[in-house]
Amino acid sequence: NAGVTQTPKFQVLKTGQSMTLQCAQDMNHNSMYWYRQDPGMGLRLIYYSASEGTTDKGEVPNGYNVSRLNKREFSLRLESAAPSQTSVYFCASSERGGYTFGSGTRLTVV
Amino acid sequence: AQTVTQSQPEMSVQEAETVTLSCTYDTSENNYYLFWYKQPPSRQMILVIRQEAYKQQNATENRFSVNFQKAAKSFSLKISDSQLGDTAMYFCAFMKRSDSWGKLQFGAGTQVVVTP
Repeated sequence: NAGVTQTPKFQVLKTGQSMTLQCAQDMNHNSMYWYRQDPGMGLRLIYYSASEGTTDKGEVPNGYNVSRLNKREFSLRLESAAPSQTSVYFCASSERGGYTFGSGTRLTVV
Repeated sequence: AQTVTQSQPEMSVQEAETVTLSCTYDTSENNYYLFWYKQPPSRQMILVIRQEAYKQQNATENRFSVNFQKAAKSFSLKISDSQLGDTAMYFCAFMKRSDSWGKLQFGAGTQVVVTP
């Protein structure tokens, strides 16, 4: 049982480049989330998807887009990366309050 | 909107000793969940303990226990008999029970360092 799988684990981008962070879960959870973690700020919600076919903005959505491809997969896209997007990104899924996190992606934008 | 405050950026404790991490939150909700998560250097987010606001009894998981004071909006975590493997960042988090989408609001975290 893999849980929540995120790829890649590390990435370095140049300012202005684009990329997509991939996330897949195998627990048949309805809800999925993208958080970013910055020093001194905890984890902040970027976007979430309550169920397949729906997405909504979280606390810090600017500069990001998401796609809920199917029940298993929820991707996060940076269209034009900026140094302020340097962070650790976590995908998570949940059902009835029980959360499972992926192992995170450390993204550096130079 | 809910806010979660962890006022201790870092705490140090010796092996076998006890350490208490503080967490306060602000909400107008009556039904909610509170969590403590542990993040070791591996970066994995690990659920330590969960408390449901309607339960008056404080949650306990082995060496980890909470002191939940609903009126004071306080949710502290006590780590007893500290072990080197407890060295990690600890996050307090809040979830509205009415929020069926399960969004978590996190505090800034407390870095716990256990020394021999």
